[in-house]
Amino acid sequence: DIVMTQTPLSSPVTLGQPASISCRSSQSLVHSDGNTYLSWLQQRPGQPPRLLIYKISNRFSGVPDRFSGSGAGTDFTLKISRVEAEDVGVYYCTQATQFPYTFGQGTKLEIK
Amino acid sequence: EVQLVESGGGLVQPGRSLRLSCTASGFTFGDYAMSWVRQAPGKGLEWVGFIRSKAYGGTTEYAASVKGRFTISRDDSKSIAYLQMNSLKTEDTAVYYCTRSLGGAFDIWGQGTMVTVSS
Repeated sequence: DIVMTQTPLSSPVTLGQPASISCRSSQSLVHSDGNTYLSWLQQRPGQPPRLLIYKISNRFSGVPDRFSGSGAGTDFTLKISRVEAEDVGVYYCTQATQFPYTFGQGTKLEIK
Repeated sequence: EVQLVESGGGLVQPGRSLRLSCTASGFTFGDYAMSWVRQAPGKGLEWVGFIRSKAYGGTTEYAASVKGRFTISRDDSKSIAYLQMNSLKTEDTAVYYCTRSLGGAFDIWGQGTMVTVSS
């Protein structure tokens, strides 16, 4: 199974400041079709998860442009350019390149 | 509005069975693969299983932790995906989400249904 490792597990951030979450996979996420099926989810308190980014860097419909994704192979990053209060929650990276699909442990974003 | 609604959760004794349903609306259900993902209380997300669309054979994949006990099926005429859970264990206690799979991402999520396995 592909293990997804996120750092940090907790990230206290000041409003208006940037935040960054790293995700590393135990093997390359490049699929045989050439795509890299790495996505990022946000889970606000008491809510189901919500898709933010798919295939490394594509923002899903309705996602603010302060969210961006980057990376390749086994190393990926989610960046928030200026954190807002509504960004509080847990962020997960996930891979759908190989079964079983797997998730990172989650990174809790909180406001200082 | 594109929507997924799970139902069928509840309290069940260890060793018993339960069937969850995921009713879709707002999109052509039969065109999409679907996944089930669960979240134990206070824990992270765990992928449970996946069913392809009929165009790709309607076949299924499962996590090792549920393989042989859980079965995913779909009724495209009713826009419903099912999760049949047999031989339930206390460690299956979780909120169960159904989610649409598109381009290798879980793009639409339901609100989830709670399953508690306890004697």
